[in-house]
Amino acid sequence: GAVVSQHPSWVICKSGTSVKIECRSLDFQATTMFWYRQFPKQSLMLMATSNEGSKATYEQGVEKDKFLINHASLTLSTLTVTSAHPEDSSFYICSASQGAAKDTQYFGPGTRLTVL
Amino acid sequence: RKEVEQDPGPFNVPEGATVAFNCTYSNSASQSFFWYRQDCRKEPKLLMSVYSSGNEDGRFTAQLNRASQYISLLIRDSKLSDSATYLCVVGPAGRRALTFGSGTRLQVQP
Repeated sequence: GAVVSQHPSWVICKSGTSVKIECRSLDFQATTMFWYRQFPKQSLMLMATSNEGSKATYEQGVEKDKFLINHASLTLSTLTVTSAHPEDSSFYICSASQGAAKDTQYFGPGTRLTVL
Repeated sequence: RKEVEQDPGPFNVPEGATVAFNCTYSNSASQSFFWYRQDCRKEPKLLMSVYSSGNEDGRFTAQLNRASQYISLLIRDSKLSDSATYLCVVGPAGRRALTFGSGTRLQVQP
């Protein structure tokens, strides 16, 4: 149980295009989903926390107009990288938790984005 | 100062060795602590939670020292398959998001 999927697993796009990444909890309802970004040889950095039906909470330094997050249902959250540039190339990982604070987070397999 | 600090390694050890990783965290109000394992170009996977009383899972033992704000992971009888990056992860008080250390890379050699 507790499987989280992400789609696509990798994407290559031209500079200036927008890319949507989906994160789904397959066998549980995720009240909260988290989006992380990881650059090579660096730690995962939290970008935003997403609660179903409400606006995402972004971390300091993360542009909410550039990284659009939608959490429309208890099993799906999407991250859209708008007008992507080469510096946005990274490994984007989502995680989901079921309920109260301290709940284990289950991670998706990640999406590797390369912007040319 | 980083919220979670780890020695990046790499730690190169022979099969069968015992290896220990340490981690310090800056937020004394942190409430949850974990070790995750991340293989190259993969997502992190939970290895174990860490409790003040210490906990053991097979060859893996984790310890938490709240007074020193220090977490450790001990791996006994290392296997080739233990080669990975080990992430120290802390759940800050009042937040549900996790803070990740940059990881310690372990390479177990035959």
